[in-house]
Amino acid sequence: GIQVEQSPPDLILQEGANSTLRCNFSDSVNNLQWFHQNPWGQLINLFYIPSGTKQNGRLSATTVATERYSLLYISSSQTTDSGVYFCAVDADTGNQFYFGTGTSLTVIP
Amino acid sequence: DSGVTQTPKHLITATGQRVTLRCSPRSGDLSVYWYQQSLDQGLQFLIHYYNGEERAKGNILERFSAQQFPDLHSELNLSSLELGDSALYFCASSALADSYEQYFGPGTRLTVT
Repeated sequence: GIQVEQSPPDLILQEGANSTLRCNFSDSVNNLQWFHQNPWGQLINLFYIPSGTKQNGRLSATTVATERYSLLYISSSQTTDSGVYFCAVDADTGNQFYFGTGTSLTVIP
Repeated sequence: DSGVTQTPKHLITATGQRVTLRCSPRSGDLSVYWYQQSLDQGLQFLIHYYNGEERAKGNILERFSAQQFPDLHSELNLSSLELGDSALYFCASSALADSYEQYFGPGTRLTVT
């Protein structure tokens, strides 16, 4: 199956700092999503972004499908941003998501 | 709230037992996906149903089975449970069969003792 690598694996930020999370994937994809898993385990949709750039408040994401990577930007981080961020891709054959191993983010006040 | 519901939220059972997890997709969604999240394996795709038909299988054990009913809700059946089956089981739904945004339910936390 398709390989999905996320970096960095762990990140500790001071409140108010900015960060960039990266997702590399090994094959062409036609679906890519970013999720935030909060401390209660819930998976929250952040972006559906198979290509291009999207912004939602303090968060934005860019996917360059031809170069097989996606970036998630978090600006002015808040303690509520803590949790694990997952990238998931659906390969060209469709029908199933492959998840990366996640980036664990801790924002300290 | 994603609109996807899962029951129960928590389940504690003994080895060798059988359990059924239930998922109701968002209104209008035809696709249901099941995922398992364990500490050592991460998030893994199990199975995908579209409008009652199985569309794709991932790393689903033979002891596990699923189905999607005419009202589009889905059930994941886990039998002959082992300690290693303890995990968070997620259901997700999407509108279309292929390559579309998936919305995840809150999960069912299964503990096998």
